[in-house]
Amino acid sequence: QQQVKQSPQSLIVQKGGISIINCAYENTAFDYFPWYQQFPGKGPALLIAIRPDVSEKKEGRFTISFNKSAKQFSLHIMDSQPGDSATYFCAARKSGANNLFFGTGTRLTVIP
Amino acid sequence: NAGVTQTPKFRVLKTGQSMTLLCAQDMNHEYMYWYRQDPGMGLRLIHYSVGEGTTAKGEVPDGYNVSRLKKQNFLLGLESAAPSQTSVYFCASSYLQGSLREQYFGPGTRLTVT
Repeated sequence: QQQVKQSPQSLIVQKGGISIINCAYENTAFDYFPWYQQFPGKGPALLIAIRPDVSEKKEGRFTISFNKSAKQFSLHIMDSQPGDSATYFCAARKSGANNLFFGTGTRLTVIP
Repeated sequence: NAGVTQTPKFRVLKTGQSMTLLCAQDMNHEYMYWYRQDPGMGLRLIHYSVGEGTTAKGEVPDGYNVSRLKKQNFLLGLESAAPSQTSVYFCASSYLQGSLREQYFGPGTRLTVT
């Protein structure tokens, strides 16, 4: 049973466009929501993370939007670049715990 | 600072063979984790350790054993490999305390069981 549901499975965006990846969860015990970026042949690396006490967090071209009532969060990549082509995973962690529950991943391709 | 390293990078096993994957970290992290990554499944936690000498089961522990004899090392063992264990295995580590407790991942080991 997937604790964090992620969509879409794959995404193709033109250079300069906006990439949007969505995640949803059911467990209200989750209190930390990171996004990981993974390039081919590499391990995932933390990109940006949010806690449910804020509705949005922005770091450069990457923004997380969080809707606590809907139990959904999303990653927006503004001005997408070919170098952003990677697989993106959302994840969630319960309060007081260290273990992460990952979504199934989204393969993003940015076309020049 | 090497971060998290994994040995080997690639391995091919025949069904029934055994092997051990080694993970090492030089960040003095208390927590260490083993994940497997399969297409369309994301990363799933196999086992984890909260400190030297302690281990615990994750989401998909069957068929695997682990040991943490030293704080910096976390070993993942397959006693009798099965084709269903063909996967990419990632090790990660993190601090036990702190507001983020970010997990740092190794480069992965690609295992094929024939």
